[in-house]
Amino acid sequence: DAGVTQSPTHLIKTRGQQVTLRCSPKSGHDTVSWYQQALGQGPQFIFQYYEEEERQRGNFPDRFSGHQFPNYSSELNVNALLLGDSALYLCASSFGTGLAAYEQYFGPGTRLTVT
Amino acid sequence: AQSVTQPDIHITVSEGASLELRCNYSYGATPYLFWYVQSPGQGLQLLLKYFSGDTLVQGIKGFEAEFKRSQSSFNLRKPSVHWSDAAEYFCAVGTGGGADGLTFGKGTHLIIQP
Repeated sequence: DAGVTQSPTHLIKTRGQQVTLRCSPKSGHDTVSWYQQALGQGPQFIFQYYEEEERQRGNFPDRFSGHQFPNYSSELNVNALLLGDSALYLCASSFGTGLAAYEQYFGPGTRLTVT
Repeated sequence: AQSVTQPDIHITVSEGASLELRCNYSYGATPYLFWYVQSPGQGLQLLLKYFSGDTLVQGIKGFEAEFKRSQSSFNLRKPSVHWSDAAEYFCAVGTGGGADGLTFGKGTHLIIQP
């Protein structure tokens, strides 16, 4: 049973560029959440997708956008990259809504470096 | 808004000794509480969770945590640590209906001495 997978593992981009990160949820899960983890910090919630719609967003600008596909996989897009966007981006999957959505399984993350 | 404080950035424990990692939260009601562990190059793994009921919860890998409402705390404990427990530990809270994501503390780095 495959867990949460993310691609790519590492990525280096230049300021102003755009980036797309990908996530496949754990088998049987239909909800995907994205988090940003800066060095030495805990993860920060970006947004959550369920039934192909963004359910809720954390305190992140519109430069951060996402998408969920019918097979429940998800993409995180970041436009106009800033140096401060350098971080580990974590995808977490869960099943359904309500409290079950809190039981999140995390992928290994994508390390984004912006130069 | 809710917040989570993990007062200890680093903790060093001898192998075989007991462990307690502290977590305090700030929220007007009882949140849903979680502990995660992150090993280098790995994603976060859920150790245990508290939603309601018995305030002492058991998790995986021999960990347990106790919710104390009066102290707004959810401390993680293990009676005897193993070298493989060396990792980063995160306390997290959920305060909505699940769609709002988790709020994490900054983490405690656990070092195991032989």
